[in-house]
Amino acid sequence: QVTLKESGPGILQPSQTLSLTCSFSGFSLSTSGICVSWIRQPSGKGLEWLATICWEDSKGYNPSLKNRLTISKDTSNNQAFLKITSVDTADTAIYYCARNRLWAPFAYWGQGTLVTVSS
Amino acid sequence: DVVLTQTPPTLSATIGQSVSISCRSSQSLLHSNGNTYLNWLLQRPGQPPQLLIYLVSRLESGVPNRFSGSGSGTDFTLKISGVEAEDLGVYYCVQSTHAPYTFGAGTKLELK
Repeated sequence: QVTLKESGPGILQPSQTLSLTCSFSGFSLSTSGICVSWIRQPSGKGLEWLATICWEDSKGYNPSLKNRLTISKDTSNNQAFLKITSVDTADTAIYYCARNRLWAPFAYWGQGTLVTVSS
Repeated sequence: DVVLTQTPPTLSATIGQSVSISCRSSQSLLHSNGNTYLNWLLQRPGQPPQLLIYLVSRLESGVPNRFSGSGSGTDFTLKISGVEAEDLGVYYCVQSTHAPYTFGAGTKLELK
């Protein structure tokens, strides 16, 4: 059974760096074809893809935030990470991680973690 | 970036009614490998999105067959044949043919 769970700081101040962790079970990020993505959703708004990392360590970023994003993984501990630098209030959102399946980049989702940026 | 335009933004339906949601893309979603990477997601209130349909028309395992997807190129449709109470929520189309992946703005399905 595939499960994913996001964790983060809850609240942080503008200009700080946001560090998020996606802990998962039921699969390995070293298995061929597996990718994990980060998506966010401001309250009451739509979904925005942020970044993806795959089994062979390839990475993709949304160009609108690319300079601020870093995605990484720890295969041994079944975790994926996302860092966002220089946050501001516009980064306040629920952050989800999701795993792909053949032909579907967001087949399995975590419950999300709420991040609030506030001074 | 590919822009996905969903209509209508809000849909009011009675139980048992059939409804359709449109998703139009600013460019063709046909990949050079012959696949069209257009998926549909449903987000129920307070829940993460869930995958309903992938590759335009393929039903995800466990999804009721009252859901169907169709379309090609730039025009796609999600149809629900006989809305049930558990279908209420926000529907999103999402494309992964072109980087960056993009989502439609969503269609909220509510009870009339």
